[in-house]
Amino acid sequence: DTAVSQTPKYLVTQMGNDKSIKCEQNLGHDTMYWYKQDSKKFLKIMFSYNNKELIINETVPNRFSPKSPDKAHLNLHINSLELGDSAVYFCASSRGTLYNEQFFGPGTRLTVL
Amino acid sequence: GENVEQHPSTLSVQEGDSAVIKCTYSDSASNYFPWYKQELGKGPQLIIDIRSNVGEKKDQRIAVTLNKTAKHFSLHITETQPEDSAVYFCAVGTNAGKSTFGDGTTLTVKP
Repeated sequence: DTAVSQTPKYLVTQMGNDKSIKCEQNLGHDTMYWYKQDSKKFLKIMFSYNNKELIINETVPNRFSPKSPDKAHLNLHINSLELGDSAVYFCASSRGTLYNEQFFGPGTRLTVL
Repeated sequence: GENVEQHPSTLSVQEGDSAVIKCTYSDSASNYFPWYKQELGKGPQLIIDIRSNVGEKKDQRIAVTLNKTAKHFSLHITETQPEDSAVYFCAVGTNAGKSTFGDGTTLTVKP
């Protein structure tokens, strides 16, 4: 029943490690997003894919690499994790890019020690 | 790029009172203005949205007004209830698919 799901929900890791977060949506949407929400609750877009093609790539370190194997999945891989990467990462999807109501996943809380 | 300012950052009201949150934006090409509610430990969820060809939209106790000339829009919640307590985000969208979010308003409704 879950519309947008993310795994894992919590991720605790050491500095310098590489980790991945997976996202899947079963809504049949064409567009998917990754957002970062910091400790002050600010929500910033990182990437957006439409039909598996990257359409938005904000100023994000190239240690972050999204991958969309198909329209229903958008994964986020992070290399060489840093303390400042600690945040909650949200995946979202929308039907398209026009008037795009977004459906958010439950979030992945990443803690880098 | 788009610049979205949201005020106030915190808002405390008594149950039954009204709450108003305001956002301003900079890009006149923006044409979609949603509001999201984020409860503790969950992802944001759309509560109401408005398109640029409409000035006002209402859904039960919540309403959104848009002034395209002045580039600002507001969320109005009437007869607030404790379950309205959450963080509220405005967002501004364009045809290119990018939504820029405001910094959020933490609303507390006191019983």
